[in-house]
Amino acid sequence: EIVMTQSPATLSVSPGERATLSCRASQSVSSNLAWYQQKPGQAPRLLIYGASTRATGIPARFSGSGSGTEFTLTISSLQSEDFAVYYCQQYNNWSYTFGQGTKLEIK
Amino acid sequence: QVTLRESGPALVKPTQTLTLTCTFSGFSLSTSGMCVSWIRQPPGKALEWLALIDWDDDKYYSTSLKTRLTISKDTSKNQVVLTMTNMDPVDTATYYCARIWFGSSTVSGFDYWGQGTLVTVSS
Repeated sequence: EIVMTQSPATLSVSPGERATLSCRASQSVSSNLAWYQQKPGQAPRLLIYGASTRATGIPARFSGSGSGTEFTLTISSLQSEDFAVYYCQQYNNWSYTFGQGTKLEIK
Repeated sequence: QVTLRESGPALVKPTQTLTLTCTFSGFSLSTSGMCVSWIRQPPGKALEWLALIDWDDDKYYSTSLKTRLTISKDTSKNQVVLTMTNMDPVDTATYYCARIWFGSSTVSGFDYWGQGTLVTVSS
């Protein structure tokens, strides 16, 4: 089973600044990588799929990059509504695993 | 408009079998490339993928839970059912169903989710 490791576990950033979240796969997943945002009491929301394609309605300040085993989610200028938990998730060979999440908190 | 909604018992006893139903609208599970999956999240913990069923009735399961899970669909009712046997308190979680579709050259990610249903396992 492919293991997804996210870092850091918690990231403290001030509003207006850039946030960079990392995700590493234990083996190559090509570009089969998605990112989700989850706020307390809510279902996750798809942000990025195919490693770099924004889902419908996702603001341009969210961007994804990477392929193979190393991936990054960048939020260019943090808004108050962006403070949440972020998960990466791989889909490869009909197996889907999530990372343990990065909590993005206000500094 | 795509919607999904989970339903099932809020409380089950240890060793019992859990049956959850996902009722969806706005798409058809008979459309090529369309799939529905179950994902769970214990309180305060990360998401865990459980199972997926595709348009062709192929089924895929989490390696660690496959002996306990069964996923099925009723295309005419727009429903997907998950059963999990031998429930344990560690299975206490919010259970979500979500849609994913496979295009000719891309995979959507889980693009629509239900609101989730909390299942507590306790005697």
